[in-house]
Amino acid sequence: EIVLTQSPDTLSLSPGERATLSCRASQSVSSTYLAWYQQKPGQAPRLLIYGASSRATGIPDRFSGSGSGTDFTLTISGLEPEDFAAYYCQQCGTSPWTFGQGTKVEFK
Amino acid sequence: QVQLQESGPGLVKPSETLSLTCTVSGYSISSGYYWGWIRQSPGKGLEWIGTIYYGGTTYYNPSLESRLTISLDTSRNQFSLNLSSVTAADTAVFYCTRFAVTPYRYFDVWGRGTLVTVSS
Repeated sequence: EIVLTQSPDTLSLSPGERATLSCRASQSVSSTYLAWYQQKPGQAPRLLIYGASSRATGIPDRFSGSGSGTDFTLTISGLEPEDFAAYYCQQCGTSPWTFGQGTKVEFK
Repeated sequence: QVQLQESGPGLVKPSETLSLTCTVSGYSISSGYYWGWIRQSPGKGLEWIGTIYYGGTTYYNPSLESRLTISLDTSRNQFSLNLSSVTAADTAVFYCTRFAVTPYRYFDVWGRGTLVTVSS
């Protein structure tokens, strides 16, 4: 099973600041099969990024993804109030498909 | 607009079978895509349960496979989850999802989720 480890667990930032979230895989993951999701309390996760760097429909361009192999990054270029939430990376390359444990972006 | 809605009992007794149904609106499940289930619990985070192709092929998480059945009902535009011999560890919010596979793979549509508690 591929283990995805996200860091940090919590990121304390202010609106307007840049957020950089890391996702490290225990073995190589094809970029084609790496996605990022946002989840707000009481809601289902929402697809942000697929193919490691492609934004899903309706996702603002302040969200960007990058990386390859075992290291992937989600960047939010300038935090808006609605961006404070939990973020999860996920791989669908090798069964069982797995999620990271999440990074919570909270108000500083 | 594609929408998914989970339904089923919110409370299941230990050793019994957990059964959930997902009703799809805005898209015919027999037109394509994969469909499946993900759960979320405080202890284990987000966990992929399994996925079914509209043609009937299933893909299960090996950790659950011996207890799991996912099926389609194209006439009702629904798909279902049956998880047998449940324990308290199966308590979670269960989400039904649509899964895209070509060329990228991702869960692009999610239901709102339903909490299932396993308790006597």
